[in-house]
Amino acid sequence: EVQLVESGGGLVQPGGSLRLSCAASNFPFSSYALSWVRQAPGKGLEWVSFISGSGAGTYYADSVKGRFTISRDNSKNTLYLQMNSLRAEDTALYYCAKGPGITGATELDYWGQGTLVTVSS
Amino acid sequence: DIQMTQSPSSVSASVGDRVTITCRASQDISSWLAWYQQKPGKAPKLLIYAASSLQSGVPSRFSGSASGTDFTLTIRSLQPEDFATYYCQQAKSFPLTFGGGTKVEIK
Repeated sequence: EVQLVESGGGLVQPGGSLRLSCAASNFPFSSYALSWVRQAPGKGLEWVSFISGSGAGTYYADSVKGRFTISRDNSKNTLYLQMNSLRAEDTALYYCAKGPGITGATELDYWGQGTLVTVSS
Repeated sequence: DIQMTQSPSSVSASVGDRVTITCRASQDISSWLAWYQQKPGKAPKLLIYAASSLQSGVPSRFSGSASGTDFTLTIRSLQPEDFATYYCQQAKSFPLTFGGGTKVEIK
């Protein structure tokens, strides 16, 4: 069974930084694109960022462009999200999710359980 | 960006009822549409992709259809485990965008 396990969330002050990780297992990691999707408390789903299987292609939501950086280490089967200049509106549960192919806009067929990021002073 | 408008935002239904949820895209997305189910405290689960293809392991009482830029998720005979929030998502282009969600509640 595909496993995605997020970590790295926590409480951070506005303007601070945090790096999220997503450890993947039970599938050929470099063959699949991955995304980060977030959900503010009591709200809907918001896609944040995408990275292709090779890592060469990335996309970002306008709300995080220039502040967040997605990356992956295919030797460690791990996805990352470096979050800088954090704002209160970034407070959310952050999910790591897998696409069904190596690249492209697609549905997300497996999701982790999420890691909570709280931005507050 | 492609906007996804989902309706209704909530629906009350009884076990055995047929439930229909609609999602409208702001532009042509062909059949690049997915549906998810999310239960409280859990991650979303993919139900349907490519507008009408059932994800492996999903009960056949769930079905999806498309007509132009309008998409429908139908639950044929609602079961107790189906009470949840449902989201649509367009998979045509970045940024990926989701509908606002439909909460299916017990009547």
